[in-house]
Amino acid sequence: GAVVSQHPSRVICKSGTSVKIECRSLDFQATTMFWYRQFPKKSLMLMATSNEGSKATYEQGVEKDKFLINHASLTLSTLTVTSAHPEDSSFYICSVKGSTSGILYNEQFFGPGTRLTVL
Amino acid sequence: GENVEQHPSTLSVQEGDSAVIKCTYSDSASNYFPWYKQELGKRPQLIIDIRSNVGEKKDQRIAVTLNKTAKHFSLHITETQPEDSAVYFCAASIYTGTASKLTFGTGTRLQVTL
Repeated sequence: GAVVSQHPSRVICKSGTSVKIECRSLDFQATTMFWYRQFPKKSLMLMATSNEGSKATYEQGVEKDKFLINHASLTLSTLTVTSAHPEDSSFYICSVKGSTSGILYNEQFFGPGTRLTVL
Repeated sequence: GENVEQHPSTLSVQEGDSAVIKCTYSDSASNYFPWYKQELGKRPQLIIDIRSNVGEKKDQRIAVTLNKTAKHFSLHITETQPEDSAVYFCAASIYTGTASKLTFGTGTRLQVTL
């Protein structure tokens, strides 16, 4: 399967600033990447789906101008929270789907998550 | 779109007992049903999945059953151990290749007591 990393693991920022979160897949061709948001003791809510080289598809209610997603390569996707506010504080998790060594995986492999706190 | 409901929200069992978590889904086109285990502050980990062409799948102490007609699927954990304590999420998706997205249930917090 895929080994997925996220950076940073934790970030604290001031209200109004922008924060970029990276999601990387190691030795795995991530043709599709997903970004989720998870509130404490709550489920994972899909924010957007992105295919490598294409614009992301956002879920209903997710502001695309606020949550900028870039999936420029098969191993890297970034989520930028622009003009962050305290209500954006959450646990952001990416996941990847794709293939490695010629094997196509149906499973989504999750990153370890990034905890964002906006003061 | 798809809607997945999960019950119970919390479940406490004694070590050695069985635990059952149930989910229902709304979209009859869904054909892939994974279960994830998430420990506190960690990433979700796939523990078992089932496709719509089978009714049951088992992997050691874990089993999943699927009733397509009723749009129900369940996770069964036998001989529970303290390390089974975590939050479990069911999910449903329509597998169309690489772009299928998951809709998650609301989660079940399982506590296995000694």
